[in-house]
Amino acid sequence: DAEITQSPRHKITETGRQVTLACHQTWNHNNMFWYRQDLGHGLRLIHYSYGVHDTNKGEVSDGYSVSRSNTEDLPLTLESAASSQTSVYFCASSEKHEQFFGPGTRLTVL
Amino acid sequence: QQQVKQSPQSLIVQKGGISIINCAYENTAFDYFPWYQQFPGKGPALLIAIRPDVSEKKEGRFTISFNKSAKQFSLHIMDSQPGDSATYFCAASKTGTASKLTFGTGTRLQVTL
Repeated sequence: DAEITQSPRHKITETGRQVTLACHQTWNHNNMFWYRQDLGHGLRLIHYSYGVHDTNKGEVSDGYSVSRSNTEDLPLTLESAASSQTSVYFCASSEKHEQFFGPGTRLTVL
Repeated sequence: QQQVKQSPQSLIVQKGGISIINCAYENTAFDYFPWYQQFPGKGPALLIAIRPDVSEKKEGRFTISFNKSAKQFSLHIMDSQPGDSATYFCAASKTGTASKLTFGTGTRLQVTL
């Protein structure tokens, strides 16, 4: 069965460190998205991609970057982690309107 | 600027009751309105969706009501069950944006026995 996976599921890091969260989908979807989920804010879009080598900024992109070298993967990098980036991160993919979400990564920045 | 406003933030309903969650949007270009359901420790999953050419869509115990003139839509859960306890997100998108969704802030629903 097709799926979308995220790794790691939990990560604790220190302020200033670079962190990369992985997202892998086997749906062969062109569209991929990264969100962060925080209480009171819902799901906020960080970056998204409509295909290989395409990346776009979402509403909360500062401090984050993505690259899309193949259809299956969209890694999210925190260049210099900050405490404000402590959150739960979700990756999603879609072909048309329905988005399929991964299980999430809980990131704590100390 | 929050383009999709959702209320209430939390909701407690007795088993068998009706749960109602409301959303309002600002962008009149939005033409697709889904609801996502999220259980603790899981990612959100599509529950039901509607387009503005209809005023209501029903799937089992779940119904979306849509009011285009008021720019509002709501989710009704009939005969609410403890298994419906989850967080619900409304969202909106517009054609041509390759499914880029704008989400509401979520409603945490608890269905008690």
